[in-house]
Amino acid sequence: DAGVIQSPRHEVTEMGQEVTLRCKPISGHDYLFWYRQTMMRGLELLIYFNNNVPIDDSGMPEDRFSAKMPNASFSTLKIQPSEPRDSAVYFCASSRTKYNEQFFGPGTRLTVL
Amino acid sequence: GENVEQHPSTLSVQEGDSAVIKCTYSDSASNYFPWYKQELGKRPQLIIDIRSNVGEKKDQRIAVTLNKTAKHFSLHITETQPEDSAVYFCAASMNAGKSTFGDGTTLTVKP
Repeated sequence: DAGVIQSPRHEVTEMGQEVTLRCKPISGHDYLFWYRQTMMRGLELLIYFNNNVPIDDSGMPEDRFSAKMPNASFSTLKIQPSEPRDSAVYFCASSRTKYNEQFFGPGTRLTVL
Repeated sequence: GENVEQHPSTLSVQEGDSAVIKCTYSDSASNYFPWYKQELGKRPQLIIDIRSNVGEKKDQRIAVTLNKTAKHFSLHITETQPEDSAVYFCAASMNAGKSTFGDGTTLTVKP
């Protein structure tokens, strides 16, 4: 398996633009997690899915953020409109069950100018 | 919700020495405690984990201990090597699958 795949790896955009981050979890993994990592706030869980259903989105900062998982092999995290304070590395992770190791993707480094 | 505190935030040791990182958690329902290592510019990767029915687990130079009564767990690295230098994160997870991460410890191993 190729592991968790994220795209793009780097994204530079201007304030106000829409940003869409993509994730393909490891096949057979039932859980998918979206994290944001910054120096100031560390590693924050934004939202996670179980069998494509959002379970907990309490970490989503505000209505500008939304996430979907239309099928077991694809998820998106959208920011609209983007702001400079959204600049961070966004990780997607997946796990087989709730008791198992989370495998992280390579991350998307987002810069909002 | 769960709150995880991790100490110290930075740790510097000489090669060959041991390193210990400690975490406390708030929710007694947490039952899964993984540790992740993140090298500069890379993704976090699991190095060891422990479940609530076990008090200690070892994997070569790495060990984790868990004290459920006191709600704390620790990572122990023996015979440290320069390649152990990284940021280490602890986490606590309940049955729902959601993990709360500590703020991380930057470990530097001096050759």
